[in-house]
Amino acid sequence: NAGVTQTPKFQVLKTGQSMTLQCAQDMNHEYMSWYRQDPGMGLRLIHYSVGAGITDQGEVPNGYNVSRSTTEDFPLRLLSAAPSQTSVYFCASSYGGEKLFFGSGTQLSVL
Amino acid sequence: RKEVEQDPGPFNVPEGATVAFNCTYSNSASQSFFWYRQDCRKEPKLLMSVYSSGNEDGRFTAQLNRASQYISLLIRDSKLSDSATYLCVVLFYGQNFVFGPGTRLSVLP
Repeated sequence: NAGVTQTPKFQVLKTGQSMTLQCAQDMNHEYMSWYRQDPGMGLRLIHYSVGAGITDQGEVPNGYNVSRSTTEDFPLRLLSAAPSQTSVYFCASSYGGEKLFFGSGTQLSVL
Repeated sequence: RKEVEQDPGPFNVPEGATVAFNCTYSNSASQSFFWYRQDCRKEPKLLMSVYSSGNEDGRFTAQLNRASQYISLLIRDSKLSDSATYLCVVLFYGQNFVFGPGTRLSVLP
């Protein structure tokens, strides 16, 4: 049982480059979300989705896009990376407002 | 004011000590409450859900006071392995999990 699979684990980008962080879950969860975590701060919600075709902004959505074409996948796109986007990113999923299941995280550095 | 606030920490306690963490939330319509544990550079993992009547899981006890919008976590007989960051999490509007900034605990030998 894979749970939440998040890739890549590490990524280094140059300012202005674009990339997509992948997130997939095999638990048929309706809710999926992306968080970023910066030193000394808690997890901040970037975007979330309550089902296929439905997405919404969280606390810090600027500079990020998401889509939810299937229940399983919820990719996060950085359109033009900036140093301020250097962070650790976590994808998570949940069913019915219960426990959040997390991916193992992506350490992103933007130079 | 942040939606979820926690004791700033860090807490440095000796093995065997009892330690309590506090958390407050701003939205009275909050539905569900959780404590997560996060080890350095790892993903958060659920420690326990928090129920209205309070609940206990071994050495861990969680309490909820809806009137005061306050959640607590008590750890008894601290172990070295309890060293981690403890995150208070509140579910708003049934679909939006909001995390507190976390409280770091170091249990010292």
